[in-house]
Amino acid sequence: DQQVKQNSPSLSVQEGRISILNCDYTNSMFDYFLWYKKYPAEGPTFLISISSIKDKNEDGRFTVFLNKSAKHLSLHIVPSQPGDSAVYFCAVTFGNEKLTFGTGTRLTIIP
Amino acid sequence: GAGVSQSPSNKVTEKGKDVELRCDPISGHTALYWYRQSLGQGLEFLIYFQGNSAPDKSGLPSDRFSAERTGGSVSTLTIQRTQQEDSAVYLCASSFSSTGKETQYFGPGTRLLVL
Repeated sequence: DQQVKQNSPSLSVQEGRISILNCDYTNSMFDYFLWYKKYPAEGPTFLISISSIKDKNEDGRFTVFLNKSAKHLSLHIVPSQPGDSAVYFCAVTFGNEKLTFGTGTRLTIIP
Repeated sequence: GAGVSQSPSNKVTEKGKDVELRCDPISGHTALYWYRQSLGQGLEFLIYFQGNSAPDKSGLPSDRFSAERTGGSVSTLTIQRTQQEDSAVYLCASSFSSTGKETQYFGPGTRLLVL
């Protein structure tokens, strides 16, 4: 039983447009949500996070939105750039528990 | 500054052989994690170490998998009698503490291929 789902394995977006990556979770106890980005042949790197007390967190071109009632998390990248092409993983946790990662979405930015 | 390093970067082995994968975490990080990413799959948690506490082995897929962490620093993941389904990228991460809210810093991974 997957607690965290990223239903789109891949996504292609034109350069300059908005990229929206989605993540759904099942456990309402999760209280902290993160996005990691992974380039080929490299380990994932932390991108942005949000606490359950907020519904939005912004860092430059990256914004994470949290909809607790829908148990849904999304990452918006605007404007999208070629360097954003990577695999994006959402991750969730609560309390002091370890992270649970989603299956990832491969984002391709088309020049 | 030095990040998390892993060795070897690639490993090809024959089915039935044992393999050892090494992880050097960031100095001062007390928590160390092992994950596995199989083709088309997400990051599968395997095991984590926090300081001197007993490791959380709940993600190890079988008793062929084991890990140790010596002196609270370097960790070795051992896979005995490897099977073809063990082929994956094995990622190590470390963090300052073990709460999930702490940023994890990943190594580049070891790509294991079992023939």
